[in-house]
Formats: sequence, structure tokens, C-alpha cells
Amino acid sequence: DAKTTQPTSMDCAEGRAANLPCNHSTISGNEYVYWYRQIHSQGPQYIIHGLKNNETNEMASLIITEDRKSSTLILPHATLRDTAVYYCIVRPYTGNQFYFGTGTSLTVIP
Amino acid sequence: ETGVTQTPRHLVMGMTNKKSLKCEQHLGHNAMYWYKQSAKKPLELMFVYSLEERVENNSVPSRFSPECPNSSHLFLHLHTLQPEDSALYLCASSQEGGTGMQQFFGPGTRLTVL
Repeated sequence: DAKTTQPTSMDCAEGRAANLPCNHSTISGNEYVYWYRQIHSQGPQYIIHGLKNNETNEMASLIITEDRKSSTLILPHATLRDTAVYYCIVRPYTGNQFYFGTGTSLTVIP
Repeated sequence: ETGVTQTPRHLVMGMTNKKSLKCEQHLGHNAMYWYKQSAKKPLELMFVYSLEERVENNSVPSRFSPECPNSSHLFLHLHTLQPEDSALYLCASSQEGGTGMQQFFGPGTRLTVL
């Protein structure tokens, strides 16, 4: 079952930063935080993951709080193509399952 | 393009038909997965294959039958489905082991059962 809590939906103006929050208050010390997104009727796409340090790649930045109970995915300059459902996932250390919750539906507005 | 392909992309079948979904990964991974995504519902993990052995079967009805003949191919055989089985079926692959493991998804097969 999903171990994360995300807002159901968010809007963001095109060109502005989109900040998507995620709560994972029961995360264990060796569990990673992953972010995926799913554009309508396509397969989910990996964005970024982290353990406890902040991470950045060409798509986004991931900010994890010091207590690791929450994180924020930042899309620095949102475009219309970033409109999608964004999933925050906590991955168990053992096993290979990903449990997808309902995610946050992000709409980028022109 | 993620390196995971699925065919067909769309499938319409009657309840008495038998069909198969195919997934192929070109990433050299050793684990493959089937997920089901019904309308307005989260992804549900159906089957996991690791090193061509089934390691997870999340109480999926027997009318869904997976097959993994080698590490690059995964099939989902369908028979006597119900209309409520209409959904997007997604295949994924990963390299098991290590701490940075991520799953790569195919584009999915949109299945409609009449």
C-alpha cells in the first residue's frame, strides 16, 4: 500500500516553478523517495529519486527535509508538456515493488 | 522512448476471446512487471518476474496468465475476460539489485472487453 500523501491536484502558470509536496512520515531510514509522472494514458516516466540529500537532474530537483518525513519535487520552469499526474513513491529497501498512489494531477496553465 | 515496447497498443475483445499482450525490453534488465490501471484508479501491480521466475502474484484472477520465456520478453495471456477488466495494461522492467533501481515503463496496451 502507498506510504505517501500528496495533494489531489495543483495548478501552475507556464514558466513558473511548480512545487509538488509529498508527505512520507513513516519512511524508514533505508527507504528511497522516487518521483514518477504519467502523462495521460501513457506509461509512467521516471523523474528523480533520493535518499536524504537533495538531488537535481535535467528534469527536476528533489528537496528532502532533514527528518525525511516530507519532500518537494520542483520543476523549475513548468511548460504545458509538464501537465501530468505526479507520483511520489517510497520504495522498500528489499524487494522491487513500487506502490503507486493516486498522485497529484498538475495542470500547467498558459 | 524508454526501451520497453508493448504490442498491441489497443485491443478490443469479446468475453469469449483469447488474446495475448506482448512486452519486450531492450535494456538488458533482469526483472519485468505487469501493472493494471483502471480508470481513475492507481496502478495495481499484477505480476513480477525476476530472472524469469515469477516472484509476485498479487491475487490476480486466473483468467490472466503471464509468461516470461526469457529476460527480454513478457506476455500476458487473456481468456474469458469480464468488462471490468477493461483497463490500461502496463509493462515495466528493471535491473534488480542495487540502491538506485528504477522501473522503466512501456506505453501500455489499452484493453476494452465487450
